[in-house]
Amino acid sequence: GAVVSQHPSWVICKSGTSVKIECRSLDFQATTMFWYRQFPKQSLMLMATSNEGSKATYEQGVEKDKFLINHASLTLSTLTVTSAHPEDSSFYICSARVATGGGNSPLHFGNGTRLTVT
Amino acid sequence: AQSVTQLGSHVSVSEGALVLLRCNYSSSVPPYLFWYVQYPNQGLQLLLKYTSAATLVKGINGFEAEFKKSETSFHLTKPSAHMSDAAEYFCAVSGGGGFKTIFGAGTRLFVKA
Repeated sequence: GAVVSQHPSWVICKSGTSVKIECRSLDFQATTMFWYRQFPKQSLMLMATSNEGSKATYEQGVEKDKFLINHASLTLSTLTVTSAHPEDSSFYICSARVATGGGNSPLHFGNGTRLTVT
Repeated sequence: AQSVTQLGSHVSVSEGALVLLRCNYSSSVPPYLFWYVQYPNQGLQLLLKYTSAATLVKGINGFEAEFKKSETSFHLTKPSAHMSDAAEYFCAVSGGGGFKTIFGAGTRLFVKA
């Protein structure tokens, strides 16, 4: 149980275009999803907390107009990288916590999306 | 504020040897602590978690970790390493407002034949 599906697993796009990444909780409801960015051989950097039905909460230094997050349902959150540039190339990972879970509930992770901007 | 420090970015052990991955945390509230494993180009999988019950926590694949409040540590161990254990391991802490999870820098485990 507690499966998170992330799509696409990899994407290559041209500089200036936008890319949408989907994160779905397949067998549970998630009022909160988290988006992380991981640089090569580094840890996960929390970008934003996605809240169902309300605006996302962005971490300091993350451009909310560049990384648009939408959490329209209890099972789907999307991250759109707008006007992508080569420096946006990275591994993006979403995660979700069961809706009834508190801070002691583990995160369930998608398999990540490798974004390459040329 | 919460933070996690993982000592050693790389650990190398021989197959069959003891695995010890170190994690120290800082938290202003009672912490929830986790160990996750990441294989190349994949998301993270939960190994085990501490949630204020037993201080010695057993996880999957033979791993266990002990919560030591006096040392603010949550080190991960496995008695006998297997080649399939080679991966990146992350210690994480959550708790407090928003239940954000903060990750350590990660430790890459190499297992030699």
